[in-house]
Amino acid sequence: EAGVAQSPRYKIIEKRQSVAFWCNPISGHATLYWYQQILGQGPKLLIQFQNNGVVDDSQLPKDRFSAERLKGVDSTLKIQPAKLEDSAVYLCASTTGAGIRTEAFFGQGTRLTVV
Amino acid sequence: RKEVEQDPGPFNVPEGATVAFNCTYSNSASQSFFWYRQDCRKEPKLLMSVYSSGNEDGRFTAQLNRASQYISLLIRDSKLSDSATYLCVVNDYNQGGKLIFGQGTELSVKP
Repeated sequence: EAGVAQSPRYKIIEKRQSVAFWCNPISGHATLYWYQQILGQGPKLLIQFQNNGVVDDSQLPKDRFSAERLKGVDSTLKIQPAKLEDSAVYLCASTTGAGIRTEAFFGQGTRLTVV
Repeated sequence: RKEVEQDPGPFNVPEGATVAFNCTYSNSASQSFFWYRQDCRKEPKLLMSVYSSGNEDGRFTAQLNRASQYISLLIRDSKLSDSATYLCVVNDYNQGGKLIFGQGTELSVKP
């Protein structure tokens, strides 16, 4: 079974530039999460999708971050314009969403450096 | 107060030691609980789900105390390969399966 795919693996941009990350969840997984993990901290939930609908985006900085999952499969996360404090690993995870003990599978993440 | 809080760590222990990590959560309506392991520069991976009666998987034991809103992970006979960051995760199914992570506890097992 293929895992969660993310690209790119690494990205270096200057502040005020824009950047986009892509995630392809495990086939059949209805729930998709985007997390931001700053070095030395736990993953922080940015947005959660159930199929193509947003379940929670309360911690997404909407003035600069946006995300979509138009067909309920792939998802993109965009930052525009980037700030130095956006330097982090962006993790995508997916679950079947079918039960309370369902396991979340993570992609390898995109490591963003803003200079 | 953070939704999920863990022992700050790091924990530095010798091989063969027993080590315990603690985690507290603020939302009493939370319904399921997990421990994830994250190796350096890797993605988190599920270590154990935590059941209400407590559960054991080899050298690892997880326990849940709903009254105190507290979760623990015990590792016995530590191995060098146990060195990693351990993340406590809480799932609130009523909020659509929102998964909230603690900040992680780093474990370093030394020879």
